[in-house]
Amino acid sequence: GAVVSQHPSWVICKSGTSVKIECRSLDFQATTMFWYRQFPKQSLMLMATSNEGSKATYEQGVEKDKFLINHASLTLSTLTVTSAHPEDSSFYICSASVMEDQGGLYGYTFGSGTRLTVV
Amino acid sequence: GQNIDQPTEMTATEGAIVQINCTYQTSGFNGLFWYQQHAGEAPTFLSYNVLDGLEEKGRFSSFLSRSKGYSYLLLKELQMKDSASYLCAALNSNYQLIWGAGTKLIIKP
Repeated sequence: GAVVSQHPSWVICKSGTSVKIECRSLDFQATTMFWYRQFPKQSLMLMATSNEGSKATYEQGVEKDKFLINHASLTLSTLTVTSAHPEDSSFYICSASVMEDQGGLYGYTFGSGTRLTVV
Repeated sequence: GQNIDQPTEMTATEGAIVQINCTYQTSGFNGLFWYQQHAGEAPTFLSYNVLDGLEEKGRFSSFLSRSKGYSYLLLKELQMKDSASYLCAALNSNYQLIWGAGTKLIIKP
C-alpha cells in the first residue's frame, strides 16, 4: 500500500515552455506532499511542501512563481515548471507522508521521479 | 545548523558485509530513515529508527544511538543488485527530513 504514482517519467521540452508533473496517491490520502529536486550525484533538495487546500511552503531560494505547486485534492498534487530553462534540467521527485492508523508517522513514500531535460 | 554526514563512496565484495555510517545534527529529532536509490530511480524505503538499538530486516539492519547522533546501515550477504546509493535522512522537530548526500555502494564480484 501507500503508492504514489508520478507522471511523466521523463520529458524533454524546449526552453521557455512549461511542464507539468503530476503525483497521485493511489491507495491513501496524501495530506502533505513534498517536492524534491535532485541533480546528478547530489542528494535530494527539498523545493517545497504542499498541504491539501492551502498554499505551498517554498524553501529558501526556490522561486514560487517559477515552480507552481497545486495540491487541490487529497490524492493529487502537481508541480509546473514555468518558462523552463536548461538549468532547470533535473530529476524531480514527489513524496508523501504516510500515517499509521493510530495517527503516528509511518514513513514517506516516493513517486518514481521525473527526468526533465530542457533543450 | 543541521547536517547529515555519510561517506561518499564505499566498495565491498559480493557475499561480504558492509556498514554504512551516518552522523546527524538536527534541531530536535523524530527519527532516522535509510533509503536505497538506484541510479535514475526514486528512493525506496529501507528502515526507520526512532529508539536506540538495532532493528533487523532480513539482510539489512539499522542501528541508532540518539545520544551520539549516530546511525548505521548494515548489509549482509551482499548481492550485486545492492549496488546503489544509500541515503540517510533525519527527521527534525518540525518533521522536516534532513537528507545526507548519500553513500554510493559499489559491489565487486
